Amino acid sequence: GAVVSQHPSRVICKSGTSVKIECRSLDFQATTMFWYRQFPKQSLMLMATSNEGSKATYEQGVEKDKFLINHASLTLSTLTVTSAHPEDSSFYICSARIGSEGEQYFGPGTRLTVT
Amino acid sequence: GESVGLHLPTLSVQEGDNSIINCAYSNSASDYFIWYKQESGKGPQFIIDIRSNMDKRQGQRVTVLLNKTVKHLSLQIAATQPGDSAVYFCAENPPRRALTFGSGTRLQVQP
Repeated sequence: GAVVSQHPSRVICKSGTSVKIECRSLDFQATTMFWYRQFPKQSLMLMATSNEGSKATYEQGVEKDKFLINHASLTLSTLTVTSAHPEDSSFYICSARIGSEGEQYFGPGTRLTVT
Repeated sequence: GESVGLHLPTLSVQEGDNSIINCAYSNSASDYFIWYKQESGKGPQFIIDIRSNMDKRQGQRVTVLLNKTVKHLSLQIAATQPGDSAVYFCAENPPRRALTFGSGTRLQVQP
């Protein structure tokens, strides 16, 4: 139980284009979903927290107009990287939580490469 | 021995030895702590958790120790195996907030 999937697992896009990453909770309903970014040899850094049906809360230094987050249902959140640049190349990981507290279940991550 | 690389400290151990990975957390309000294992190119994998009302918790081959006085967590892995080689992160959870991850330690198990 408590499986989270991400799609795609890898994506390469050209600079200036936009790319959408999906995060799905497969066997549970996620009240809250989180998006993290991880650069090589570094830790996971929280980008934003999204609750179903409301606007995402972004961490300091994360541009909300660049990283668009939609959490339209209890099983799906999407992260769209708009006007991507090479410095946006990173490993993006989502996680989902059933309630307001408790364990977060992590997806397998999406490797984004911007050329 | 333990060494500090550019970003991740590395702990090298011999197969069969016990490993101890340490972590300092920052928020005294955190009441839930988790250790994760991350292999290259994959998402974090849950290992063991502990709540702040405990100071020790044991799992299969793993033990987590919590010292709230000095805000310190440790993960002990008994009889370390080559499959344990990975990066290990501690994470702290303040109430009603997202998990915050520590900087991580790379564990290398020498056969």
